[in-house]
Amino acid sequence: KQEVTQIPAALSVPEGENLVLNCSFTDSAIYNLQWFRQDPGKGLTSLLLIQSSQREQTSGRLNASLDKSSGRSTLYIAASQPGDSATYLCAVRGGQGAQKLVFGQGTRLTINP
Amino acid sequence: DVKVTQSSRYLVKRTGEKVFLECVQDMDHENMFWYRQDPGLGLRLIYFSYDVKMKEKGDIPEGYSVSREKKERFSLILESASTNQTSMYLCASSFRTVLAQYFGPGTRLLVL
Repeated sequence: KQEVTQIPAALSVPEGENLVLNCSFTDSAIYNLQWFRQDPGKGLTSLLLIQSSQREQTSGRLNASLDKSSGRSTLYIAASQPGDSATYLCAVRGGQGAQKLVFGQGTRLTINP
Repeated sequence: DVKVTQSSRYLVKRTGEKVFLECVQDMDHENMFWYRQDPGLGLRLIYFSYDVKMKEKGDIPEGYSVSREKKERFSLILESASTNQTSMYLCASSFRTVLAQYFGPGTRLLVL
């Protein structure tokens, strides 16, 4: 059974810092991995999707990497801003149920002005 | 941009009521999903549909049913609402199974 873990559960950093969020998964047989952002009380916003054949994806100040063999992904946020404060979730598709996304519990990020 | 809308942002219902949650997507996506999100438990898949009139159970289908009569619309039905169904309900859609899922704004349901 696929399990996804995100550490740390919460992170607080000063504005302007570069930071890395971590995601690990137990079954390396995945189709893809998706990073989401969720603001309090809101739905999920898709940030980046990495297919299993890719090593990384970039969008603006965000860069996501994937190391399938070790079961890890990172989300790198450059020059953090207070507006980046949110919960960040990673989810993988694959393993025993290709239709399903398996989510981590998320990292709650706070950027302090 | 993909747009996924949900019929209500907040809903208050009484135990035993039949509850309908509606989700509509405007991108002709084949796949649609219903999740619930609870503190400490994360997001869990209730049901998904890969085509009109087709449905598959997710991880926690008990107490729920779904309906997909049109490609753009996927309904979640609570046949007899119970207090343990108080939760945030999130709908999502994707063009293909292996492509990105896009989520709606969520419906926060309170069952009294």
